Amino acid sequence: DTAVSQTPKYLVTQMGNDKSIKCEQNLGHDTMYWYKQDSKKFLKIMFSYNNKELIINETVPNRFSPKSPDKAHLNLHINSLELGDSAVYFCASSQGDRGTDTQYFGPGTRLTVL
Amino acid sequence: AQSVTQPDIHITVSEGASLELRCNYSYGATPYLFWYVQSPGQGLQLLLKYFSGDTLVQGIKGFEAEFKRSQSSFNLRKPSVHWSDAAEYFCAVAPMFSGGYNKLIFGAGTRLAVHP
Repeated sequence: DTAVSQTPKYLVTQMGNDKSIKCEQNLGHDTMYWYKQDSKKFLKIMFSYNNKELIINETVPNRFSPKSPDKAHLNLHINSLELGDSAVYFCASSQGDRGTDTQYFGPGTRLTVL
Repeated sequence: AQSVTQPDIHITVSEGASLELRCNYSYGATPYLFWYVQSPGQGLQLLLKYFSGDTLVQGIKGFEAEFKRSQSSFNLRKPSVHWSDAAEYFCAVAPMFSGGYNKLIFGAGTRLAVHP
C-alpha cells in the first residue's frame, strides 16, 4: 500500500520536449506538494495545493505548471524542457497546510534532459 | 531569510559507534523542526519532529534529537549506528505562525557512510 506514488520513476527526454509527472496519494490528505532535488541533493519546494487550490508557488519558471484534478492527485507538467530541469522531483502530501502537518514523500521521479 | 545549515557534508562512522549530525537554523522565531532520511534511490522518510515541549525528542530507528534554543540547533543523535543507517540525512524547518503555510525549508543534507 504505497502512500504517495509517482509515475514514472525515471524519465529521459530531449531538450524542448513537454513531459508530465503524476502523483497520487491514498492517505486522504488535503495538501500536496512538489519539490525539486538538484544534483547536489538540495531540496526546494516548488508548489503546494490545498484542496485543489494553489497556495504556494515559489519562483519557478512558468514552463512548470501543476494541476490538481482532485485532492488525491497533483501532476506536474513541464513545457520546453531544458538541461537545467534535470533533477529528482518529489511529490509529498500532508493532512493540512500548517507547519505541524507532517509531509509524506513519494519515491521521486528522476528526470534527465539530454 | 529563513535558512537551515548542516555543516557536515559527509560523515563516516564505524558500525556500533555513536553519531551526531548537526543542524542549525536561522529564523525569526522557533520554527517547527524535522529530520528526514533518504536512503539511496528512495524518497524521504520522517525520522522525528519537534513542535514544542520536551526539547529531547525520540524518533524511529533509535534516533533522537535535541532542540537547543540558545544555539538555534536541532542535532540528531544515535548511540550505536548500524550499517543500514548509511543514507542522506536532511534537517528541515517549517514556519510556526499561521498563514505561513507548510513550506519545508531543507538543509543541504549530510551523507552518512558506515564502516563495518
